[in-house]
Amino acid sequence: NAGVTQTPKFRILKIGQSMTLQCAQDMNHNYMYWYRQDPGMGLKLIYYSVGAGITDKGEVPNGYNVSRSTTEDFPLRLELAAPSQTSVYFCASSYSRGWEETQYFGPGTRLLVL
Amino acid sequence: GENVEQHPSTLSVQEGDSAVIKCTYSDSASNYFPWYKQELGKGPQLIIDIRSNVGEKKDQRIAVTLNKTAKHFSLHITETQPEDSAVYFCAALYSGGGADGLTFGKGTHLIIQP
Repeated sequence: NAGVTQTPKFRILKIGQSMTLQCAQDMNHNYMYWYRQDPGMGLKLIYYSVGAGITDKGEVPNGYNVSRSTTEDFPLRLELAAPSQTSVYFCASSYSRGWEETQYFGPGTRLLVL
Repeated sequence: GENVEQHPSTLSVQEGDSAVIKCTYSDSASNYFPWYKQELGKGPQLIIDIRSNVGEKKDQRIAVTLNKTAKHFSLHITETQPEDSAVYFCAALYSGGGADGLTFGKGTHLIIQP
């Protein structure tokens, strides 16, 4: 199994541009999550999904959108990039029992907005 | 919501010595406390977790203790080795789950000196 994969690894965006961060998992996990990690800070939850077709906001959802059309994929969309969105983004997944299950993280996408 | 404080931010120990990282949480309803290890350029990986009905849990050189009355929990690493060098994050889960999910501490950079 590849586990959780994320693309791209690194991206530079100009202010106002849009992009989609891709996330896929091959472990048949129902739960998937997007976090951002700022320097010297812990991870903050952006959005999560408990299954295909179901998404919900986390702690810091403003400026982002998600969709979950399949169990495997959970893309994160930035519509109008802002410097405040410069961060490292991690996707994670877990088994269907939810929050107390081990979350498996991808390698991250480093995003720089200039 | 939940607030998690983690100390120290940086910890340097001699190889073979023990390391202790401490976290406090604010919401007495939190009932699940995982610890994640993040190596450079990688996503976080769960190393141990503890639930509120347990006071201590051990896995080889790693142990976690929980004091519900004082609302703090600690990670103990004995006989440290060079491969233990990484950033460690504690987290707490509010029992109601919901949008916030896991709240992470800001991380501790553990440095093992040869």
